[in-house]
Parts: sequence; structure tokens; C-alpha cells
Amino acid sequence: KAGVTQTPRYLIKTRGQQVTLSCSPISGHRSVSWYQQTPGQGLQFLFEYFSETQRNKGNFPGRFSGRQFSNSRSEMNVSTLELGDSALYLCASSQTGDNYGYTFGSGTRLTVV
Amino acid sequence: GQQLNQSPQSMFIQEGEDVSMNCTSSSIFNTWLWYKQDPGEGPVLLIALYKAGELTSNGRLTAQFGITRKDSFLNISASIPSDVGIYFCAGPLGGSQGNLIFGKGTKLSVKP
Repeated sequence: KAGVTQTPRYLIKTRGQQVTLSCSPISGHRSVSWYQQTPGQGLQFLFEYFSETQRNKGNFPGRFSGRQFSNSRSEMNVSTLELGDSALYLCASSQTGDNYGYTFGSGTRLTVV
Repeated sequence: GQQLNQSPQSMFIQEGEDVSMNCTSSSIFNTWLWYKQDPGEGPVLLIALYKAGELTSNGRLTAQFGITRKDSFLNISASIPSDVGIYFCAGPLGGSQGNLIFGKGTKLSVKP
């Protein structure tokens, strides 16, 4: 079966712009989590959605937001981009949000210049 | 805040060697997860541990859930070149398991 699909794979944006990243979970998975990965901070939790509701939010500024649609697909948005937002953004999906069922996508590499 | 301390940060392996790495926390975890990440890919779950003292294997990989619930260990036996990559420990924060905290990773490279 198809894995977690993230689009686009690579993105270059200018400081001050905004960006939207997309995540299509595995069919039947209702929970989607987003993570930011940087060399300095490692993998950090952004937020989790389950059945279109945000269930958890990490310690990121309000410029980072997300949503989940009725088909479980999720998007995350970053507004007013800063150089420090350059990172690999990873999405993971699970059927119910349990701890052993999370499958990660390959990520979107965002570069802010 | 909570953090997971993973060691070593990096290590070199020679084919056939056994490898050990560990992860410690100042807080108790009810679940320990071990992931591997290859370049350009997302992390892949290797082993999940749910009970203190639990020892679980997945092929050449063996992981243990520490008895204090504040640490976990991962061992790789008879390493092969494809074991190269970054290994992360992780545990769930809060009630929902979708919120994981990750260690900084152990990078496995091949000895020159």
C-alpha cells in the first residue's frame, strides 16, 4: 500500500514569504503529526491532528499552523518565513494515534533565503 | 523541559562488529521507540517497547526498556554496511501518542 506522501519534496522561499506543505497519510490513517528536523535542534514536534481536530501542539510560534481535511490529508503553513525555518518537515500518520503505528513520509526540505 | 540524552553521538562500525547505543531521560516514559533514518528519508520504526524490563528483538536488533523506565538500549549484532544511518530513540509526551520527543540521534558510519 502507498506510504505517507509529502509534497513538494524541495522548496526554496524568500524571507517574509509564506509556505504551505502537504501530507497525504496512508489510506485509513486518521492521525497526522508534523515534525521539524534541523541539525541543531533535531526532530521537534509541531502538532498532531486527529479527525480534523488539533489534538496536540508543540512549542512553536503562531506562525506555524496546520489543518486536517475530512479525507485525513493535512497541510501545514508557515507565515512570515525566517531563515531559521529552513528545515526538513516530516509528516507521520497512524490509524488512531497509537504509539506503534506511526509511519513517516520522506519529508519536505524547505530552504529560506 | 523533557529531553532524551542519546549516546554515543556517532560511532564507526566495521562489518561484523556488534554495536550498542543508549538513551536516558530525567522523566519516566511508558513507551520507548527506536527509529532509523537514512539520508533523504523519514525515520522508520525499528522496535517499540511498552513495559519496564522488556527485551524485544527485530532480526539482528535487540532493544531493552530500562527497569527504571528512564532509559533504553539498542544493540545491533554482526553489523552490515546497510546498518549505516542515524538511530533515534523516542518517547511519547503527554496523553496522545502522536506527540513524540526524540533524542538527538546516534550516527553510524563505516570505518574507513
